[in-house]
Amino acid sequence: EAQVTQNPRYLITVTGKKLTVTCSQNMNHEYMSWYRQDPGLGLRQIYYSMNVEVTDKGDVPEGYKVSRKEKRNFPLILESPSPNQTSLYFCASRGLAGAVDTQYFGPGTRLTVL
Amino acid sequence: DAKTTQPTSMDCAEGRAANLPCNHSTISGNEYVYWYRQIHSQGPQYIIHGLKNNETNEMASLIITEDRKSSTLILPHATLRDTAVYYCIVRVHPWMDSSYKLIFGSGTRLLVRP
Repeated sequence: EAQVTQNPRYLITVTGKKLTVTCSQNMNHEYMSWYRQDPGLGLRQIYYSMNVEVTDKGDVPEGYKVSRKEKRNFPLILESPSPNQTSLYFCASRGLAGAVDTQYFGPGTRLTVL
Repeated sequence: DAKTTQPTSMDCAEGRAANLPCNHSTISGNEYVYWYRQIHSQGPQYIIHGLKNNETNEMASLIITEDRKSSTLILPHATLRDTAVYYCIVRVHPWMDSSYKLIFGSGTRLLVRP
C-alpha cells in the first residue's frame, strides 16, 4: 500500500531535549516536505526536499533541521525544542514525473514541548 | 497564488449531495483549483483538481464556472465518513513553483448528519 509513515505519532518532551521525527515513504517520490499545523494559522511549510541531498527552507524553518540521505526518508530534527514548537506535524511526498500536484500526507505527529 | 474564500461551515444529510463552494475571483490563467480534505487531525487527503473543465473521479466532482472565478466540489452521496474540513487551493502549475508548497486556508468544516 502506498503510504507516508511518521514516527512517533505522539510525543511529549521538555525544552531543550533534542528529538527527531521520522518520515518515510514507499512510493519512490523525489519530493518530500514537512508542514506544521497550528490553530488559526493553518498548515505552514517548514522544509522541503526535491531529491536526495537537496533541501530548502519553507516558510517557517527556524528551530528545525532536516536531512535527506536516502530517497525514502526525510527526518525532521529539533535540536533544542521550545514550547512554541508544540504543534501537529505532517510529512508529505510527491512524485515529480507527473504534471499534477498530488501530495500524499502522513498521519501526523502531535508534539508537545513543556 | 490566488486567494480563496470558503464558507466556514456547512452541513448536509447522509446520502444527500454535499455542494461545497469556493470563490477565487483573482485566479489567473495558469492556476489550477485543487481540493483536499482533512478528517479530524489526520493528514490532508487529495480529492480532485481542475483547470477549466469540470472533472469527476471516484471521490467527487469539481464544477468550475466558465469565468473560473468560482468552483464547487460535489460529494454526490455524502456519508458520515465525509465529515471533515475541505480546503480549496488555487496554485500555479507545480513546475512554476519549486517548493511545491500547498497553501491551506481555513477551509469549510462539513458535518454530515445521520
